[in-house]
Amino acid sequence: GAVVSQHPSRVICKSGTSVKIECRSLDFQATTMFWYRQFPKQSLMLMATSNEGSKATYEQGVEKDKFLINHASLTLSTLTVTSAHPEDSSFYICSASRGVGYTFGSGTRLTVV
Amino acid sequence: GENVGLHLPTLSVQEGDNSIINCAYSNSASDYFIWYKQESGKGPQFIIDIRSNMDKRQGQRVTVLLNKTVKHLSLQIAATQPGDSAVYFCAETVTGGGNKLTFGTGTQLKVEL
Repeated sequence: GAVVSQHPSRVICKSGTSVKIECRSLDFQATTMFWYRQFPKQSLMLMATSNEGSKATYEQGVEKDKFLINHASLTLSTLTVTSAHPEDSSFYICSASRGVGYTFGSGTRLTVV
Repeated sequence: GENVGLHLPTLSVQEGDNSIINCAYSNSASDYFIWYKQESGKGPQFIIDIRSNMDKRQGQRVTVLLNKTVKHLSLQIAATQPGDSAVYFCAETVTGGGNKLTFGTGTQLKVEL
């Protein structure tokens, strides 16, 4: 079955630094990747949608200069949280789609101290 | 046990009982719906899906019902087991509309021995 690998699973960083999260589709080519953020006891909120080779489309209220998304190949998308602050601490989850169906990564717990 | 609501409610059931988790979706144009199970610290796991041209679909121990008239989905789990304890989310999308998934608020299912 389709597998999506997300790394790292946990990261702690200092306020003001940047963190990169990787999302890889291991056995299929993902034409579209989605990035979500989830706060404790809340639902998944879509941050942005990225298609390979084009700029990501961000949801309303998501700062594109703060959350940089790169989708350079059909198997890899990255989310970089720039100048992270404690309020960016959250659970970030990617999802990959090849047009039909969605496969989710295992998530990244980001803690900004 | 049965639960209705949009604010991450908790549904407690006895092991072996049937569980019914409800979801009200928002977009009348949505034509594809998915139920996900999310365990603590993990990404969502696909359970079952249904398209809008159906009103019922069955899987192994799970059944999804769709009522488009009132924009309502339910997930029925037969003979609930301790391993079913998790948060359950419904998700909706409009096929061809960027395929973005919109998640419901979720229900915490607790299975008591």
